Amino acid sequence: QVQLVESGGGVVQPGRSLRLSCATSGFTFSDYDIHWVRQTPGKGLEWVAVISYDGSNKYYADSVKGRFTISRDNSKNTLYLQMNSLRAEDTAVYYCAKQEETGPIDYWGQGTLVTVSS
Amino acid sequence: DIQMTQSPSSLSASVGDRVTITCQASQDIRNYLNWYQQKPGKAPKLLIYDASNLETGVPSRFSGSGSGTDFTFTISSLQPDDIATYYCQQYDNLPLTFGGGTKVEIK
Repeated sequence: QVQLVESGGGVVQPGRSLRLSCATSGFTFSDYDIHWVRQTPGKGLEWVAVISYDGSNKYYADSVKGRFTISRDNSKNTLYLQMNSLRAEDTAVYYCAKQEETGPIDYWGQGTLVTVSS
Repeated sequence: DIQMTQSPSSLSASVGDRVTITCQASQDIRNYLNWYQQKPGKAPKLLIYDASNLETGVPSRFSGSGSGTDFTFTISSLQPDDIATYYCQQYDNLPLTFGGGTKVEIK
């Protein structure tokens, strides 16, 4: 069955960096675009970034552009999110999510919590 | 960015009741609208895609309708297992955007 498992979350000070990983199985990873979406109690669900199936195209939310970098390793079936210059408002549960070929996000990981605090 | 306005933000209904949630987009999104169910501590689960298509394995008491800017999500007969928060989401344009969510409780 399709599985996405995030890791790498934790507590980090403002201005520091963190790298999230999303290990996948149960589908042909290299065939699908994958997203990062985050969720905070106050702001609900917020889309963060997407990377195309082959890594050639990447798009970011304005709130993270220039600070976050999405990447993937199709040989390892793994997605990454490098987060630099972290701010308190980046505190959230981060989900990786697979996009169906026709468009909708159909599977999500269980999420990893990132807390930015001094 | 396309704004998604979802209402109500919460509702309380009895088992067996018909429940309706609405979602309005700030511009035409054709039928590129999904509905997700999220239970506490869990990831969102896709219920309806392309406004009205039931995801495989999802009970038929869930349905969706609409196109353009106005969409509706319905639970025809509320069950105890349906206690959750429901979100609409558009994918006509990046950035993907979500409604604010509707928390459904049992009366």
